[in-house]
Amino acid sequence: DIQMTQSPSSLSAFVGDRVTITCRASQSIINYLNWYQQKPGKAPKLLIDAASSLQSGVPSRFSGSGSGTDFTLTISSLQPEDFATYYCQQSYNTPRTFGQGTKVEIK
Amino acid sequence: QVQLVQSGVEVKKPGASVKVSCKASGYTFTRHGISWVRQAPGQGLEWMGWISVYNGKTNYAQKIQGRVTMTTDTSTSTAYMELRSLRSDDTAVYYCARGFADFDYWGQGTLVTVSS
Repeated sequence: DIQMTQSPSSLSAFVGDRVTITCRASQSIINYLNWYQQKPGKAPKLLIDAASSLQSGVPSRFSGSGSGTDFTLTISSLQPEDFATYYCQQSYNTPRTFGQGTKVEIK
Repeated sequence: QVQLVQSGVEVKKPGASVKVSCKASGYTFTRHGISWVRQAPGQGLEWMGWISVYNGKTNYAQKIQGRVTMTTDTSTSTAYMELRSLRSDDTAVYYCARGFADFDYWGQGTLVTVSS
């Protein structure tokens, strides 16, 4: 199975800050990498697929980059509604695997 | 609008089985597969497997293969996930989600508690 490792596991930031979350795969997954946002008690929401393709309706302050084994999710200016847990997920092969999550909290 | 609506809370004893349903609406059911993802309390996301609604083909995570069966009923646009021989570590919120590579729509989740 492909292991997905996110860092950091949690972070505290102010509204307006630029936030970067990284995701590393245990082998090359080319660009088969998706990002999700999950708020407490809610289902995850797909933000980005294919490493950098923003889903319709997702604010442009979210962006994704990377290829091979190293990927990044960036929030250019953190908004109050962005405080949540973020997960990466590989779709290179099965079983699909997720990172352990990065919890973004208010500072 | 696309919606996936899941069945309600389940409480089961160890060794029992549970069957969770996921009713789809707002799109052509046979055009997209359904994946199942679970989340233990306070933990991350775990993909359980996928079913092609078009032809019934399945792909299960090895960890639960042999205990899980995913099916669909195209007449009611409903997907089902049955998990057998339940253990305490199967306690989780179970989600259905549309897709095989990425999951663009999700059900609201079904809490399954396994406790004696």
